[in-house]
Amino acid sequence: EAQVTQNPRYLITVTGKKLTVTCSQNMNHEYMSWYRQDPGLGLRQIYYSMNVEVTDKGDVPEGYKVSRKEKRNFPLILESPSPNQTSLYFCASSLQGLSSEQFFGPGTRLTVL
Amino acid sequence: AQSVTQLDSQVPVFEEAPVELRCNYSSSVSVYLFWYVQYPNQGLQLLLKYLSGSTLVESINGFEAEFNKSQTSFHLRKPSVHISDTAEYFCAVTISYNTDKLIFGTGTRLQVFP
Repeated sequence: EAQVTQNPRYLITVTGKKLTVTCSQNMNHEYMSWYRQDPGLGLRQIYYSMNVEVTDKGDVPEGYKVSRKEKRNFPLILESPSPNQTSLYFCASSLQGLSSEQFFGPGTRLTVL
Repeated sequence: AQSVTQLDSQVPVFEEAPVELRCNYSSSVSVYLFWYVQYPNQGLQLLLKYLSGSTLVESINGFEAEFNKSQTSFHLRKPSVHISDTAEYFCAVTISYNTDKLIFGTGTRLQVFP
């Protein structure tokens, strides 16, 4: 089944404790992206990747890191999480850029205490 | 810079009534436009998109949207809604010649009542 998977689905952590949210797609998509969803703000793009070893900042990259060493994986790293990073995070992928359909993962709900 | 405005944060409607969810965008260059739907506790799914050609685009479940360049709008419509259409709907825009960033609106929650 073609899908985007994220792990973990739920995470509660404390300020400053490094964490990684994994994202994997099995559709051989070139483009991958991370978004955060906050009430009243919609979705905002954090980072995106056009292909392996090619990543760039979205609108809200502060406090986040990403890597794209393999085509299928695009982990989101929070080196020192803070409470303002409490949010619902979505990973998405598409065949090539955003003119093709983006497929979204199920989301990761992160709470930073 | 591009931006998207969804003026209605919530739209309540009775089943079988028509609905329009409004979306306006701001851009000085050519754009691609999208509507995504998010059902409760799920990720987003593409509902429909406008890339070029016919300004009226349709989805498989009865929704349609019309690209209006002069009014910079991409409103979503359905002539008769079902309970199952209850969801949050997001309008989004990207630049047509540089499709790497996507700007979302703040979303409209459609609540369909029996």
